[in-house]
Amino acid sequence: DQQVKQNSPSLSVQEGRISILNCDYTNSMFDYFLWYKKYPAEGPTFLISISSIKDKNEDGRFTVFLNKSAKHLSLHIVPSQPGDSAVYFCAASQIQGAQKLVFGQGTRLTINP
Amino acid sequence: SAVISQKPSRDICQRGTSLTIQCQVDSQVTMMFWYRQQPGQSLTLIATANQGSEATYESGFVIDKFPISRPNLTFSTLTVSNMSPEDSSIYLCSVVRGGQETQYFGPGTRLLVL
Repeated sequence: DQQVKQNSPSLSVQEGRISILNCDYTNSMFDYFLWYKKYPAEGPTFLISISSIKDKNEDGRFTVFLNKSAKHLSLHIVPSQPGDSAVYFCAASQIQGAQKLVFGQGTRLTINP
Repeated sequence: SAVISQKPSRDICQRGTSLTIQCQVDSQVTMMFWYRQQPGQSLTLIATANQGSEATYESGFVIDKFPISRPNLTFSTLTVSNMSPEDSSIYLCSVVRGGQETQYFGPGTRLLVL
């Protein structure tokens, strides 16, 4: 039972354009959501998070949108840069405090020059 | 954020042996977790490492296979026991500081079992 799903295994975007990564979840008890970026041979790096009481959170080039009724969240990166090329994971937890994270399968983002 | 180190960074082991992975944090944290990422898969939580008491394991993971210690607020170990090739994975520790909501990950230990 995959509670957090990232249906696009890969995404290719031109440098300077917007990258949009999507994530769907099935458990309505999730109330905290995070995005991580992972380079090969490194651990996941925290990017941005959002609580279920909000529908948008922005940090520099990164914005996360949450649609609770659709059980959907997305990560927008604008403008996209070559250094953004990595695997992006969305994660969710039921308990505020980022405990017991449930991860999606990841989306490999490639930024083309 | 927290500075987290793991030892070893990678290892190649023979089936039937055991490997202990260490996770060290630069300052005290309230929560420590161990995850596994099997090849081509997502991250899966193995257990929550509880300071001074037995770890809390997720469904599908048992203490005999993955014994965990957490003697203080900055250090934890995960042992992968009686290894088989199916245990070949990246093992990651993560931490949460008191008063924060974000979980930070170590660099991972890449394990190959032959």
